[in-house]
Amino acid sequence: NAGVTQTPKFQVLKTGQSMTLQCAQDMNHEYMSWYRQDPGMGLRLIHYSVGAGITDQGEVPNGYNVSRSTTEDFPLRLLSAAPSQTSVYFCASRPLGAAQGREKLFFGSGTQLSVL
Amino acid sequence: AQTVTQSQPEMSVQEAETVTLSCTYDTSESDYYLFWYKQPPSRQMILVIRQEAYKQQNATENRFSVNFQKAAKSFSLKISDSQLGDAAMYFCAYAKTYKYIFGTGTRLKVLA
Repeated sequence: NAGVTQTPKFQVLKTGQSMTLQCAQDMNHEYMSWYRQDPGMGLRLIHYSVGAGITDQGEVPNGYNVSRSTTEDFPLRLLSAAPSQTSVYFCASRPLGAAQGREKLFFGSGTQLSVL
Repeated sequence: AQTVTQSQPEMSVQEAETVTLSCTYDTSESDYYLFWYKQPPSRQMILVIRQEAYKQQNATENRFSVNFQKAAKSFSLKISDSQLGDAAMYFCAYAKTYKYIFGTGTRLKVLA
């Protein structure tokens, strides 16, 4: 099993450019989510999904779009990148489970994004 | 809204000694889950230990144990017999249904 795969691992953008961070998992997890990690801020939830066609906002959703067309994939789109979006981005998944919230998150290896 | 606070930005411990990392949280829920995650320099997020709020018994995983005080909303992590490989960022996290709230992290240094 590959687990949670994120691409690319590093990316540099210019202000105003758009891009998509890819996330794929092969564990048939219904729940997928995106976090950003900034120094001194910990990990903050951007968006999450509990299944194909179902997404919802997290703590810091502004400037990011998501969609979920398949169970495996959950891409994160930056429509017009800003320097404030410079961060490390993590994708994470887990099964929904009978006791929601009990299961641990399976994390990808992260994407380091710099916006100049 | 729920919050998670880690008041120790950095801690140091001698190899083979014991260290305790602090975490407090705020919630009005009675049923939730708490986690400690480790992030080494590789950036990988690794689950260390998990606690279910409805269980009074403190969770343990080998050298790692927690002191869960539900009334005080405190969830500290104790690492016994510290090893050089324990050096990492440690994040406390609160989970309820679909949302996870992470603390700002504590960087643990292990001194040889």
